[in-house]
Amino acid sequence: EIVLTQSPATLSLSPGERATLSCRASQSVSTFLGWYQQKPGQAPRLLIYDASNRATGFPARFSGSGSGTDFTLTISSLEPEDFAVYYCQHRFNWPPTFGQGTRLEIK
Amino acid sequence: QVQLVQSGAEVKKPGASVKVSCKASGYTFTTYYMHWVRQAPGQGLEWMGIINPSGGNTRYAQKFQDRVTMTRDTSTSTVYMELSSLRSEDTAVYYCVRDREGYGDRKIFDPWGQGTLVRVSS
Repeated sequence: EIVLTQSPATLSLSPGERATLSCRASQSVSTFLGWYQQKPGQAPRLLIYDASNRATGFPARFSGSGSGTDFTLTISSLEPEDFAVYYCQHRFNWPPTFGQGTRLEIK
Repeated sequence: QVQLVQSGAEVKKPGASVKVSCKASGYTFTTYYMHWVRQAPGQGLEWMGIINPSGGNTRYAQKFQDRVTMTRDTSTSTVYMELSSLRSEDTAVYYCVRDREGYGDRKIFDPWGQGTLVRVSS
C-alpha cells in the first residue's frame, strides 16, 4: 500500500502568518490526493480534493498543489479557526491511505 | 442537507462484536458509496472498507478482512459496520463517510458522520 508521510509533525505559527504543510507519497499518486481538516472533538472535513480543488465552505486562503509524489497545502494568512490537524489522503489505488497528520498550533 | 447520523457509544469486552449504524438523509441513498474510517485515541485515520448501498457489494481493507462486515438496509437508508473478535486495539472512534461523487468509488470522503466511540475493555 502507498505510504504518505507528512511534515512537519507539528507546525507552530501565529495568526497572519503563512503555513506550508507537506505530504510525500511512497509512489506516484498522480493528482489523486486530498487534504482534510480536523478540529478537536470533531470529525474530519474535506478541504482539498485531487491536489488543488477546494471543497465547499473553505475560503480562498487555503490552496493545494503538487503531483506525483510531492504535495503542499498552503494557508496564505492564518486565521484563529485554522489551527487544527491536517491529514492528506490518496485515492490512487486500493487501499486509500492517510498520512499521519500535521498539527498546526498557535505559537 | 446531507446528514449521516451514527449510533451511540459502545463499551465491549474483548472477544465480543460491535455493530455501528449510520443513517443517511438528504440525498438518494443508493447513489453514493459509503466508507468506514476509524481513529484510535490521539492517532491518525485508518480506512476500513466500502459498501455500495445499491447492490450491497463490499470491499474491505486487508487488515480487517476476517473480522468486519458491512451491510445496508435500503428501506431505512442505513449502513452498518460490524466488527468481531474485538481487542483493546480496536478502541477508536468509527466514522461512516460518504463518497463525494455518486455512481462510483472515487474515494473522496465527504461528508462524515459524527463518529461512534467504541471502547474495548475487560
